Amino acid sequence: NAGVTQTPKFQVLKTGQSMTLQCAQDMNHNSMYWYRQDPGMGLRLIYYSASEGTTDKGEVPNGYNVSRLNKREFSLRLESAAPSQTSVYFCASSDGTLVSNEQFFGPGTRLTVL
Amino acid sequence: RKEVEQDPGPFNVPEGATVAFNCTYSNSASQSFFWYRQDCRKEPKLLMSVYSSGNEDGRFTAQLNRASQYISLLIRDSKLSDSATYLCVVPGGSYIPTFGRGTSLIVHP
Repeated sequence: NAGVTQTPKFQVLKTGQSMTLQCAQDMNHNSMYWYRQDPGMGLRLIYYSASEGTTDKGEVPNGYNVSRLNKREFSLRLESAAPSQTSVYFCASSDGTLVSNEQFFGPGTRLTVL
Repeated sequence: RKEVEQDPGPFNVPEGATVAFNCTYSNSASQSFFWYRQDCRKEPKLLMSVYSSGNEDGRFTAQLNRASQYISLLIRDSKLSDSATYLCVVPGGSYIPTFGRGTSLIVHP
């Protein structure tokens, strides 16, 4: 099992460009999450999907959109990248309910917006 | 009060020492808690779950104090390989998992 995979691993964008971060899990988990991690700020939840077909905003959703394509895949889109979106992005998944189960994380995408 | 608070450290300890971190939370309805470990530039990985009063796994002990609304992580006989950032996770508003900012541990020879 690959667990949670993310692509790309690194990306450099110019202000105003768009891109989609891809995430897939092979553990048949119901819940999936997108976080960003900035120095000194810890992990902050951008969007989550408690089950296939549903998505909800987290703590910092502005500037992002998500799609739960199927049970395996949960993508994060930046429509018009800004330097403030320079960060490390982690995708995670978990079985069962949102808070009662271990989250498994992907290796992260390191995004720089110039 | 922030939802989840941790002392960022760093905690700088010699090999063999015992070290403890605390994590305070504001949502009194929280039922399940977690400690994750994150190595530099890597993804977080689950270290321990804390569902009731506490949990022990080898050199690691996690405890929950509901009255004072904090969880703790105790590491005994510290190893060089324990050097990492330790993140606590608490259910926040709408039961969304909320991460603390992490506590940095450096174990030196």
